[in-house]
Amino acid sequence: DAMVIQNPRYQVTQFGKPVTLSCSQTLNHNVMYWYQQKSSQAPKLLFHYYDKDFNNEADTPDNFQSRRPNTSFCFLDIRSPGLGDAAMYLCATSRIGGLNSPLHFGNGTRLTVT
Amino acid sequence: TQLLEQSPQFLSIQEGENLTVYCNSSSVFSSLQWYRQEPGEGPVLLVTVVTGGEVKKLKRLTFQFGDARKDSSLHITAAQPGDTGLYLCAVAFMDTGRRALTFGSGTRLQVQP
Repeated sequence: DAMVIQNPRYQVTQFGKPVTLSCSQTLNHNVMYWYQQKSSQAPKLLFHYYDKDFNNEADTPDNFQSRRPNTSFCFLDIRSPGLGDAAMYLCATSRIGGLNSPLHFGNGTRLTVT
Repeated sequence: TQLLEQSPQFLSIQEGENLTVYCNSSSVFSSLQWYRQEPGEGPVLLVTVVTGGEVKKLKRLTFQFGDARKDSSLHITAAQPGDTGLYLCAVAFMDTGRRALTFGSGTRLQVQP
């Protein structure tokens, strides 16, 4: 089945130790998104790619970076994780972008920072 | 900054009861999507509404988009334990240049058998 796959499901990293989360999709969608979701809060958009066009949200910390080497893969790099970065990180795709396009989410990576 | 409010934040009911959850803002939406998120999983799209006053039904779920396009409701008839989850609304605000949706913080629903 076509889907959005996130690895790993659970990631533990130490304070200040760089970590990379990965997302792959078999839907061949143009747009890929990274959201951060903390407990009992709304998913917060960090950035998205429309094809190779990178769009950073104004309030996304510089500590967070992303790479999209090809259509299928997208990575979230956290250069120096702090305790406040512990959260669920959700990857999503949409076919054409635009505000009416449904989002297809992966099952997330839950990041713990010790 | 546009705010999107969902209410109630938490809801615990017995199987077979009816319920309604709400999504509201002071700003006009161009469209609205409802998602359900189960524990440990990503959100899954339930419906997209685009037209003011629109009503859509999905089995026991009824979705309504307000006439003024500032609010929406989700009504569940005869809730079942499988309806348990976090219900999120996501909107596209009309008066911004944002190309991405804004999510509400959700209503966490628990249906007791």
